[in-house]
Amino acid sequence: GEDVEQSLFLSVREGDSSVINCTYTDSSSTYLYWYKQEPGAGLQLLTYIFSNMDMKQDQRLTVLLNKKDKHLSLRIADTQTGDSAIYFCAESKGSNYQLIWGAGTKLIIKP
Amino acid sequence: DTAVSQTPKYLVTQMGNDKSIKCEQNLGHDTMYWYKQDSKKFLKIMFSYNNKELIINETVPNRFSPKSPDKAHLNLHINSLELGDSAVYFCASSQDLQKTQYFGPGTRLTVL
Repeated sequence: GEDVEQSLFLSVREGDSSVINCTYTDSSSTYLYWYKQEPGAGLQLLTYIFSNMDMKQDQRLTVLLNKKDKHLSLRIADTQTGDSAIYFCAESKGSNYQLIWGAGTKLIIKP
Repeated sequence: DTAVSQTPKYLVTQMGNDKSIKCEQNLGHDTMYWYKQDSKKFLKIMFSYNNKELIINETVPNRFSPKSPDKAHLNLHINSLELGDSAVYFCASSQDLQKTQYFGPGTRLTVL
């Protein structure tokens, strides 16, 4: 995931907001994605944002996109223990819209 | 009623064996993918098929051969398994190359 970078860990208290950050390199990316992977499970699509948008909200999730800085963030409001997982950022790139993945951010919830 | 399914979920085998992992999607999608996730959770695309035609073939040893008998299936056959092949393999599908990818539950392959 050298084109997409994320911090490896984030620790937050239950009930606080979590903000997971991601930077990418390809300014021509059309879509940017957030996927969630719970322990021992597959990848679940959380949300995505089209490159001509700067914000998307879906219940407790808010995605912010800063195209100028090539920065994407995922905010989870009122973080719960069930939000414990690894969160992957991905950008679609190239004529084949290949997904380029970040290394994933492990979200740790403290009671 | 699972959207993207893979079998088996776990596969333990000896070095040198040949094995296959099956993937099926019932979403009516045109495009299917195989990914490899290593022990550090890095995800790498291996193959992509669009309408049964190979689109993406990353630098993968030719011991790995995908086969798409129809649009709903993309199987992965691996010859002469090596220790380094141990990983979780994910199948995914999307309506077309541009659209969102939906993932199967993964197959954990362990080569002894």
